[in-house]
Amino acid sequence: DGGITQSPKYLFRKEGQNVTLSCEQNLNHDAMYWYRQDPGQGLRLIYYSQIVNDFQKGDIAEGYSVSREKKESFPLTVTSAQKNPTAFYLCASSPGTGQPYGQYFGPGTRLTVT
Amino acid sequence: QQQVKQSPQSLIVQKGGIPIINCAYENTAFDYFPWYQQFPGKGPALLIAIRPDVSEKKEGRFTISFNKSAKQFSLHIMDSQPGDSATYFCAASRRSNYQLIWGAGTKLIIKP
Repeated sequence: DGGITQSPKYLFRKEGQNVTLSCEQNLNHDAMYWYRQDPGQGLRLIYYSQIVNDFQKGDIAEGYSVSREKKESFPLTVTSAQKNPTAFYLCASSPGTGQPYGQYFGPGTRLTVT
Repeated sequence: QQQVKQSPQSLIVQKGGIPIINCAYENTAFDYFPWYQQFPGKGPALLIAIRPDVSEKKEGRFTISFNKSAKQFSLHIMDSQPGDSATYFCAASRRSNYQLIWGAGTKLIIKP
């Protein structure tokens, strides 16, 4: 099955710990994205990557880091510098240049930091 | 100029009614307008999308109406069902840019 997988579905951490969220896609998409969604809110862009080994900050990148060493993988690290890390994190991908620009989402990871 | 304004914030409709969700944009460089459906605890799913060279697009019970001169587009759901209860997001993007600009979302409830 083609798609985007995120793991784990639920993640619990203590304050002050870094945590890495996984995102893998087998759609052969060039671009990948990380969003944050707070209860009852819209989507806010954290980071995006158009090609391997390149990524750009989104609107709320502070306290987060990413890597794009492989086309199919785009892990997100929530660092201890992120003031309010508890949220629903969504990974997405899109085909890239010359293709329809829809983004396709994974099932999300709900992170709770106490 | 980068914003997409979505209304209403929430909407309650009786089963069989036609909910209408509206979005407005300023940037005339936008050339792709998708709608997403999100159920609680799930990722958004691409529902339907339109480009500015057409005024209407239908897929099943979902229709996008697009008014280029007014810089507005809307989602209509025909014969709405309780299973359509979800949050709906509009968005916009430019061909030269990989980013989507998102509306704030509309929480839709279809009453049986």
